[in-house]
Amino acid sequence: TQLLEQSPQFLSIQEGENLTVYCNSSSVFSSLQWYRQEPGEGPVLLVTVVTGGEVKKLKRLTFQFGDARKDSSLHITAAQPGDTGLYLCAGAKETSGSRLTFGEGTQLTVNP
Amino acid sequence: NAGVMQNPRHLVRRRGQEARLRCSPMKGHSHVYWYRQLPEEGLKFMVYLQKENIIDESGMPKERFSAEFPKEGPSILRIQQVVRGDSAAYFCASSPNWASIGYTFGSGTRLTVV
Repeated sequence: TQLLEQSPQFLSIQEGENLTVYCNSSSVFSSLQWYRQEPGEGPVLLVTVVTGGEVKKLKRLTFQFGDARKDSSLHITAAQPGDTGLYLCAGAKETSGSRLTFGEGTQLTVNP
Repeated sequence: NAGVMQNPRHLVRRRGQEARLRCSPMKGHSHVYWYRQLPEEGLKFMVYLQKENIIDESGMPKERFSAEFPKEGPSILRIQQVVRGDSAAYFCASSPNWASIGYTFGSGTRLTVV
């Protein structure tokens, strides 16, 4: 059973389009992080959200943490080819200390 | 060198050999985490260590796998008698303390067992 479900698994869009990636769970998390991973490299932290309902913006990326702290979304406006990569959400629980549970990722391809 | 350093980047081992993966955390970081990423799967937690202590090894396979983070030197993930199923990318991450939110990951070691 996957604790964090990401959707869609694959997404291929044209440059300039908008998109939303979802990360859902039946469990409550104390914090949720989004990472971006490129082939052959480790994940790079994009953002951490900790408060239910929190919204954070990072240039063209908008991250939202659900009110109940069970889900999150990542919205990209006017996608660019440089946004191509594997987007991973990861949750931390108070009962599991620093251990993160990762979703399986959304592979985004932005075509020029 | 500001990041988490892992070496080697690629490692090929024959079945039955030992694999040693090394991780030097970011300067000032005393907490190290190891994750494994199997093909077509997400990252799975393996172990969390501080200097000279294993804090959480709930994700480590019961046999053949061990980890250490000595007082001096890098953290080591050791896999004895490797099997084909051990082929994966192994990532190390570090943080400055337990309450840190967000890791810094290394570039990983890709282990191939032939």
